[in-house]
Amino acid sequence: GAVVSQHPSRVICKSGTSVKIECRSLDFQATTMFWYRQFPKKSLMLMATSNEGSKATYEQGVEKDKFLINHASLTLSTLTVTSAHPEDSSFYICSARAQFGGSEQYFGPGTRLTVT
Amino acid sequence: DAKTTQPTSMDCAEGRAANLPCNHSTISGNEYVYWYRQIHSQGPQYIIHGLKNNETNEMASLIITEDRKSSTLILPHATLRDTAVYYCIVRVAGIQGAQKLVFGQGTRLTINP
Repeated sequence: GAVVSQHPSRVICKSGTSVKIECRSLDFQATTMFWYRQFPKKSLMLMATSNEGSKATYEQGVEKDKFLINHASLTLSTLTVTSAHPEDSSFYICSARAQFGGSEQYFGPGTRLTVT
Repeated sequence: DAKTTQPTSMDCAEGRAANLPCNHSTISGNEYVYWYRQIHSQGPQYIIHGLKNNETNEMASLIITEDRKSSTLILPHATLRDTAVYYCIVRVAGIQGAQKLVFGQGTRLTINP
């Protein structure tokens, strides 16, 4: 099946610094990738949709200048949390939809971000 | 956007069939029903999806009522590894045609030995 990886799996950073999370589709090309965040015992919340070669579309209430998304190739999207604060601590998950084939989305394993 | 309603939690004995219900009474004619599950601290895993016919794959079966207002995911022989949160999602058409998935609260399924 389709595989999506994320790196890093865990990251701890200090308040005020920026953190970059990578999402890669390993065995398929993804025209569209999605970024979610999930707080403990809560459901996934969609943050933004990114299409290869164009600007990301952010959900209402998500600050685009704080959560920078780049989808420069068909296999890589990055999420940069800028000037991170403790309230940004969360589980960040990406998903990718294949360029060809069905409409299923394949999810990465997630990245646990802790801001101290 | 059609919303879904699922029980908050369910228990099932190992080896028995687990039947997870989902209500989606406002579903539109061209909207699909998707099921994903999320094992603790992992990314969601796709299970199955369907439009109006019943579907079966190696993981599960999906039964959709004739009026499409509800569906049931069936895990025929549940194992301890099936313990997870199961999400029933109706696919929406997002901005620029990207069809995003909107997750509800899901059903926390616990398989007991």
